[in-house]
Amino acid sequence: EAEVAQSPRYKITEKSQAVAFWCDPISGHATLYWYRQILGQGPELLVQFQDESVVDDSQLPKDRFSAERLKGVDSTLKIQPAELGDSAMYLCASSLGGFSTEAFFGQGTRLTVV
Amino acid sequence: KQEVTQIPAALSVPEGENLVLNCSFTDSAIYNLQWFRQDPGKGLTSLLLIQSSQREQTSGRLNASLDKSSGRSTLYIAASQPGDSATYLCAVPLTGANNLFFGTGTRLTVIP
Repeated sequence: EAEVAQSPRYKITEKSQAVAFWCDPISGHATLYWYRQILGQGPELLVQFQDESVVDDSQLPKDRFSAERLKGVDSTLKIQPAELGDSAMYLCASSLGGFSTEAFFGQGTRLTVV
Repeated sequence: KQEVTQIPAALSVPEGENLVLNCSFTDSAIYNLQWFRQDPGKGLTSLLLIQSSQREQTSGRLNASLDKSSGRSTLYIAASQPGDSATYLCAVPLTGANNLFFGTGTRLTVIP
């Protein structure tokens, strides 16, 4: 069964360090999302790609976060420098695209900033 | 902006009971609504997707209904099992977009 792959599963980093997360969506899915989920809350969108283009990054803290999806397939989310408040679950999701398609999520990366 | 509310925040039931989880949203002009399950420390698993033209969708012991006009959806779980223990999240897309707005979830515990 096709899955959204994310790595690493867990990451501990010191504040002010750089950290990167990787996501490989389900093959053929044009839309890719990065969400952040703070413990006890629902996921919130950070950035959305349609193929290689950014569709929505209005909630991405651009002073420290960056995301890219080269060639419109896999994607990398980077934080530099990491802050204590960045500790959260980072979730990647993908969908075929369009307005009525189902979104599928990966297992997430649990980030702890110390 | 779409706001999604889930009630109750937590629910504990004995095994075998039927139960209903509630989801409400403020903007009724949605394309679909999706229910997810999340186990502790894990990602989200899609359970059901209801298109705006549908009133309900079923998968096994799960049945989800959608009332767009009132901004409500329910997830019905029949004959609950301990393995159903998880957090259940509903999500809807913002009008004109396809990124999802999530509720804070209902944490379900099924007691053997």
